[in-house]
Amino acid sequence: DAEITQSPRHKITETGRQVTLACHQTWNHNNMFWYRQDLGHGLRLIHYSYGVQDTNKGEVSDGYSVSRSNTEDLPLTLESAASSQTSVYFCASSEWGQTGELFFGEGSRLTVL
Amino acid sequence: QKEVEQNSGPLSVPEGAIASLNCTYSDRGSQSFFWYRQYSGKSPELIMFIYSNGDKEDGRFTAQLNKASQYVSLLIRDSQPSDSATYLCAVNPASNTGKLIFGQGTTLQVKP
Repeated sequence: DAEITQSPRHKITETGRQVTLACHQTWNHNNMFWYRQDLGHGLRLIHYSYGVQDTNKGEVSDGYSVSRSNTEDLPLTLESAASSQTSVYFCASSEWGQTGELFFGEGSRLTVL
Repeated sequence: QKEVEQNSGPLSVPEGAIASLNCTYSDRGSQSFFWYRQYSGKSPELIMFIYSNGDKEDGRFTAQLNKASQYVSLLIRDSQPSDSATYLCAVNPASNTGKLIFGQGTTLQVKP
């Protein structure tokens, strides 16, 4: 079965360190998204990509970057982790011409101390 | 005004009752609408989507869309304790970019 996997599922890091969260999908979807989820804010879009070599900023992109070198992967990098980036991060994918439904990974819980 | 608004709850209903979850959105040209269920510590999973005005039924779930009022709702009939979760409303805006905009979610508690 096709799926979308994230790693690590849990990570604790220190302020100022670089952190990369991996996202790998086997749906062969062109669209991939990174959201963060915090109490009281719901899911907020960080970055997204519509295909290889395409990346775009979402509403809360400061301090984050992504790269898309193939269809399957969209890693999210926190250049210099801050305590405000403590959150649960979800990767999702979708495809044009279908329902528009987002398929979500299991989430990555990041704690920045 | 938030783009997609939901009452955060919690909404508490007795087992067997109808739970009604509501969502309003600001982009009048929004294309499609989604309801996701999220259990604590888990990822969101799609329950239903709706494009056209009116009702769409799937088992115990009914989605209702009123584009003139910019309002979408989810009814859960014969609510079960296993329905206790957070329900997220998501909207695909008029630009149809595929970037779903989520409300903050409504927590539903179904009491036995």
